[in-house]
Amino acid sequence: KAGVTQTPRYLIKTRGQQVTLSCSPISGHRSVSWYQQTPGQGLQFLFEYFSETQRNKGNFPGRFSGRQFSNSRSEMNVSTLELGDSALYLCASSPSDSYGYTFGSGTRLTVV
Amino acid sequence: SQQGEEDPQALSIQEGENATMNCSYKTSINNLQWYRQNSGRGLVHLILIRSNEREKHSGRLRVTLDTSKKSSSLLITASRAADTASYFCATDVRDNYGQNFVFGPGTRLSVLP
Repeated sequence: KAGVTQTPRYLIKTRGQQVTLSCSPISGHRSVSWYQQTPGQGLQFLFEYFSETQRNKGNFPGRFSGRQFSNSRSEMNVSTLELGDSALYLCASSPSDSYGYTFGSGTRLTVV
Repeated sequence: SQQGEEDPQALSIQEGENATMNCSYKTSINNLQWYRQNSGRGLVHLILIRSNEREKHSGRLRVTLDTSKKSSSLLITASRAADTASYFCATDVRDNYGQNFVFGPGTRLSVLP
């Protein structure tokens, strides 16, 4: 079966712009989580959605937001981009809390 | 400070040798997971071990969990060059917002041919 698909793979934006990243989870997986990975901070949890509801969120500013659609596809949005937002953004899906994540290949965002 | 921390930060071994990585965590967990990441790509789930389990195997991988010491280890036997990657442990934490998985900083494994 198809894995977790993230689009786009690479993105270059300028400071102040906004960006939307997309994630299509594995069919049947209702939980979608987003992580930011940087060399300095490692993997940082952004938020988790389950059945279209944000179930948990990490310690990120309000510029970072997300949503989940009825087909479990999820998007995350970052507004007013800053240089420090440059990172690999990873989406992961899971059928439930008792299972591990399946990660997508990530979207590498570069803010210039 | 991290909920989970891997040790060592980096490990370099020869093909055929065994590689052992350790993970320590601070709070009680329901389960602990190990992941592998190749060079800035997505993470690949290796093993999930529940708090009532002490050891799990998957192919050349062996994971142990000692909840009294709040630690876990990942052993890769008969390593191959293709095992070169970063390895992360992830523990489930519950806070005011709900439950999520917290990843450690990872161990970078290099397997030399």
